[in-house]
Amino acid sequence: AQSVAQPEDQVNVAEGNPLTVKCTYSVSGNPYLFWYVQYPNRGLQFLLKYITGDNLVKGSYGFEAEFNKSQTSFHLKKPSALVSDSALYFCAVRPPYDYQLIWGAGTKLIIKP
Amino acid sequence: DGGITQSPKYLFRKEGQNVTLSCEQNLNHDAMYWYRQDPGQGLRLIYYSQIVNDFQKGDIAEGYSVSREKKESFPLTVTSAQKNPTAFYLCASSIPGQSSGNTIYFGEGSWLTVV
Repeated sequence: AQSVAQPEDQVNVAEGNPLTVKCTYSVSGNPYLFWYVQYPNRGLQFLLKYITGDNLVKGSYGFEAEFNKSQTSFHLKKPSALVSDSALYFCAVRPPYDYQLIWGAGTKLIIKP
Repeated sequence: DGGITQSPKYLFRKEGQNVTLSCEQNLNHDAMYWYRQDPGQGLRLIYYSQIVNDFQKGDIAEGYSVSREKKESFPLTVTSAQKNPTAFYLCASSIPGQSSGNTIYFGEGSWLTVV
């Protein structure tokens, strides 16, 4: 079965340090990959996506993600974390020739001052 | 401003009552979706519609109904058959297409609570 895994329920990072939120997937073919962020009591906001091309994708709010085909991973990164980055982060994958997204369970990111 | 508007933000349902959540978009997107999010959990697809007057069941359609009479609107009715409706409901829309990756954009969500 096709799936998306976010292996960490929560990630704690000190402000100013680099952050990584992990995502791996099990989908055949060349999927489209997405990251979204959700602040408390709000809808999800699109951060970035990988469709094709350069493996390093840059997105909103200084976030970037690295696509690794051999490891079937799409980890979200930011060089220097801000307290305001604290939120829930979702990875999603769209299999080729499919209309729907497969969602990870989400990772709570906590940035401590 | 362009976007997806969900209303109401908070809704309370009595046992045995049907309630309808509104979703309107002015992004000119063809596809619209309804997701359910339970506290501390991920998203589950309820219904989606790729075009006006057509919609398909998602993973958890039982106890819900939708209509798509206009491109801009995709209301969700939570019926009395849905035994555990308390959740956060998210409406979304997208432009289908290879170049866009069919990126989904979300509304601000609606909280439904059974009282």
